[in-house]
Amino acid sequence: GIQVEQSPPDLILQEGANSTLRCNFSDSVNNLQWFHQNPWGQLINLFYIPSGTKQNGRLSATTVATERYSLLYISSSQTTDSGVYFCAVGIKAAGNKLTFGGGTRVLVKP
Amino acid sequence: KAGVTQTPRYLIKTRGQQVTLSCSPISGHRSVSWYQQTPGQGLQFLFEYFSETQRNKGNFPGRFSGRQFSNSRSEMNVSTLELGDSALYLCASSLATSEKLFFGSGTQLSVL
Repeated sequence: GIQVEQSPPDLILQEGANSTLRCNFSDSVNNLQWFHQNPWGQLINLFYIPSGTKQNGRLSATTVATERYSLLYISSSQTTDSGVYFCAVGIKAAGNKLTFGGGTRVLVKP
Repeated sequence: KAGVTQTPRYLIKTRGQQVTLSCSPISGHRSVSWYQQTPGQGLQFLFEYFSETQRNKGNFPGRFSGRQFSNSRSEMNVSTLELGDSALYLCASSLATSEKLFFGSGTQLSVL
């Protein structure tokens, strides 16, 4: 099956700092999503981004499908950005069967 | 619009029992998927239902089963519970299959 690796595993930021999270995957995909799991366990969908670049407020994401990676950018981080960020990938033939990476745990300090 | 609703929020069971978890998708969403999250294995896909049919299945034993009703609500059942079944069970819905997923808050199952 598809392997998904996320880096770094842990990230500590000072409030206001910028950061980049990376997701590498081992095979061609046409379904890629980024999620944020808050400290209460709720998974929030940040982006559906099988290719290209999208922006949503202070967050943006870029997927280069041909090179099998995706990047999530957090700018001007806030304490509410703390939590775990997951990348999940799949192929359309497999529907919503997504393979999740191990996550990047982010702590934003005030 | 209400989000994905999962009940109950917490469950405590003993080994050998069975359990049923419930999920109500976002209104208009026809696909419901279930995932298991554990500290050791991370997030793993269980199954997906679309229009009352199981569309995809993950690599879990037959003790894990599910179904979807005509109103798109879904249930999953785990029979003969084992200690290793202790996990956060997450339900997600999407308009159709292979589209943006929206997750519920999950059911935290503890097997004693």
